[in-house]
Amino acid sequence: DGGITQSPKYLFRKEGQNVTLSCEQNLNHDAMYWYRQDPGQGLRLIYYSQIVNDFQKGDIAEGYSVSREKKESFPLTVTSAQKNPTAFYLCASTGLGDKVTGELFFGEGSRLTVL
Amino acid sequence: KNQVEQSPQSLIILEGKNCTLQCNYTVSPFSNLRWYKQDTGRGPVSLTIMTFSENTKSNGRYTATLDADTKQSSLHITASQLSDSASYICVVRPRSGNNRKLIWGLGTSLAVNP
Repeated sequence: DGGITQSPKYLFRKEGQNVTLSCEQNLNHDAMYWYRQDPGQGLRLIYYSQIVNDFQKGDIAEGYSVSREKKESFPLTVTSAQKNPTAFYLCASTGLGDKVTGELFFGEGSRLTVL
Repeated sequence: KNQVEQSPQSLIILEGKNCTLQCNYTVSPFSNLRWYKQDTGRGPVSLTIMTFSENTKSNGRYTATLDADTKQSSLHITASQLSDSASYICVVRPRSGNNRKLIWGLGTSLAVNP
């Protein structure tokens, strides 16, 4: 079945460590996004990519990095520079066919906890 | 400032009852308004997308309405089921923007009890 796969589902990290969250999609979508969700706040955009080998900062990019070497993959690295990394991270994608509406398809999320 | 406000913040209803969730927005002009359902610990799933020219859209027991004049949208759930327990998020896309510019509400947390 087509969809977006995020891994791991749960991740624990010690302070000072970098961690990478995986996001893979087989929907043939061009655009991919990373969001962060915290209790009591709306989704906030971290990074997005509209085409392979290109990505743009979102509203809260500090302390994060991404790459887009393949159309199917958009991994997110949470670096030690991110001051409050404990959160629920969501990856999403949009296809060219959704250019007008921009309907987002989400993965199941990755919950990162910093110990 | 572009904002999306949802009410109530949380709601508890009995199985089988109907309910209506509200979304007020200040985004103008806008391209479309969406409602997502998010189960606890999972990613959001799209329920409806309405362009600025539409005023109602249904998806099974879910019916969304849009009044662009008053800048209000509502999501009506008919004959609620236990599986409807989730957070419902209203999202507005400004006309001049793309998904980069989506304005997200905080969601309404719905609990359906037996």
